[in-house]
Amino acid sequence: QLVLTQSPSASASLGASVKLTCTLSSGHSSYAIAWHQHQPEKGPRHLMSLNSDGRHFKGDGIPDRFSGSSSGAERYLTISSLQSDDEADYYCQTWDTGTQVFGGGTKLTVL
Amino acid sequence: QVQLQESGPGLVKPSQTLSLTCTVSGGSIGSDGYYWNWIRQHPGKGLEWIGYIYHSGSTYYNPSLKSRFTISLDTSKKQFSLKVMSVTAADTAVYYCARGSYQFLYVWGQGTLVTVSS
Repeated sequence: QLVLTQSPSASASLGASVKLTCTLSSGHSSYAIAWHQHQPEKGPRHLMSLNSDGRHFKGDGIPDRFSGSSSGAERYLTISSLQSDDEADYYCQTWDTGTQVFGGGTKLTVL
Repeated sequence: QVQLQESGPGLVKPSQTLSLTCTVSGGSIGSDGYYWNWIRQHPGKGLEWIGYIYHSGSTYYNPSLKSRFTISLDTSKKQFSLKVMSVTAADTAVYYCARGSYQFLYVWGQGTLVTVSS
């Protein structure tokens, strides 16, 4: 069964960088994923899609501060030069046989 | 630039049918390659995918959900809809519509809160 695992929380200081992780379940390490940002009181926002080879394709208007990378079954979202409005929930998402699957989300706190 | 906007009743009584609509602006709802999705988020929880409809009218639903959900499409109104039958308090959630490909979701609505209560 395809499962995406994310740490429930992360924190980093204003202006610093943070790397969030999404781990694909066993047997699914070749899957591409997407990262979505969900700010409070807003709809989620697609940040990028991310392949197993690390190639990523960002959505329109997504700043260069957001980047993606991959290693094995892990998919990463790195946010550099953290700003206060980066404080949000971040979800990874993929699909399998027509079904969309979400990770549990990581709540990012900007200190 | 395509935008999606959910609309619905806000408050529904238990055992009734919940009906939500997503209105698409700035783009075609009948174009090839786009899948029109419903997702919900229970209070304090993560995102749960409900299902999608393709422009042809074919649908696919989350196998882990019971078959109370129906998604339909009205291309003339540029809308797609979600019906949830026999709602309970467990259906209280923020409901989002989203446009995607077969693989990923790309454009989301702002969401609408639905509370199930007598």
